Amino acid sequence: GAVVSQHPSRVICKSGTSVKIECRSLDFQATTMFWYRQFPKQSLMLMATSNEGSKATYEQGVEKDKFLINHASLTLSTLTVTSAHPEDSSFYICSARDPGRSSYNSPLHFGNGTRLTVT
Amino acid sequence: GENVEQHPSTLSVQEGDSAVIKCTYSDSASNYFPWYKQELGKGPQLIIDIRSNVGEKKDQRIAVTLNKTAKHFSLHITETQPEDSAVYFCAASLSAGNMLTFGGGTRLMVKP
Repeated sequence: GAVVSQHPSRVICKSGTSVKIECRSLDFQATTMFWYRQFPKQSLMLMATSNEGSKATYEQGVEKDKFLINHASLTLSTLTVTSAHPEDSSFYICSARDPGRSSYNSPLHFGNGTRLTVT
Repeated sequence: GENVEQHPSTLSVQEGDSAVIKCTYSDSASNYFPWYKQELGKGPQLIIDIRSNVGEKKDQRIAVTLNKTAKHFSLHITETQPEDSAVYFCAASLSAGNMLTFGGGTRLMVKP
C-alpha cells in the first residue's frame, strides 16, 4: 500500500537555528501534500498545502516566511522551520494521497511525524 | 470553514466492553469522514472511513455510522482489547483526498 515517510523522526535544535523536515511518498507520486502541526495532547492543525511546482497555500495564522515549504518533486516536500524558537517545539506531520487513484477511493496517508524540540 | 467537535476527550473501558466516540461537523458540503488511530509518537493511521452516500460501515470489530441530516457520525469498537488503547481522531473533508479537519481527539484506555 501507499507509504509516506518522514525524516528525521526526532530533532533537537538551538533557538535561532533552522531545521528541515522531509516528507517522501515512497511508492506513488504526490502532487499535493499537507503539513500538520500537533501540540502535546491536542489535535492536528493544518498548516499548509504543498503543491508540486507551485507555491504552498498557508492556513490563516501560519507565517509563510517562518515555515518554508518546498515541493520540488512529485515525491518530496520539505518543511523548513526558520529561526526556530521554543514555542515552535511541536510534532509536525505530513500527509499525501495517491493521485493515481480517484480522490473518491484514495484517502490521505500520514507520515510518522517529526518531533521538534527547540532549546 | 469546517468545524469538527469530538466527544468524549477521554474514555476508559474494561477489556471486552464496547467503546463509542461521537463527532459532529458543521459544513454540510463535507462528504468524507475518516477515523484515525494515533499511537504515542506516531502519525495517525486510518482505521475506517465513510462517505456521505452510506449510513453505516463495518469492518470486523469497528463500525462507523453517519447521520448526514444531523451532521454527526460515530465510531463503535466492540470487544475492546488493550491494544485498542490509543488516541482516536475523527475528521471531515469534501472528499477523500482533500485536506482534513480533525476533531479534538479521544484518548481511549482499555483496562485488561
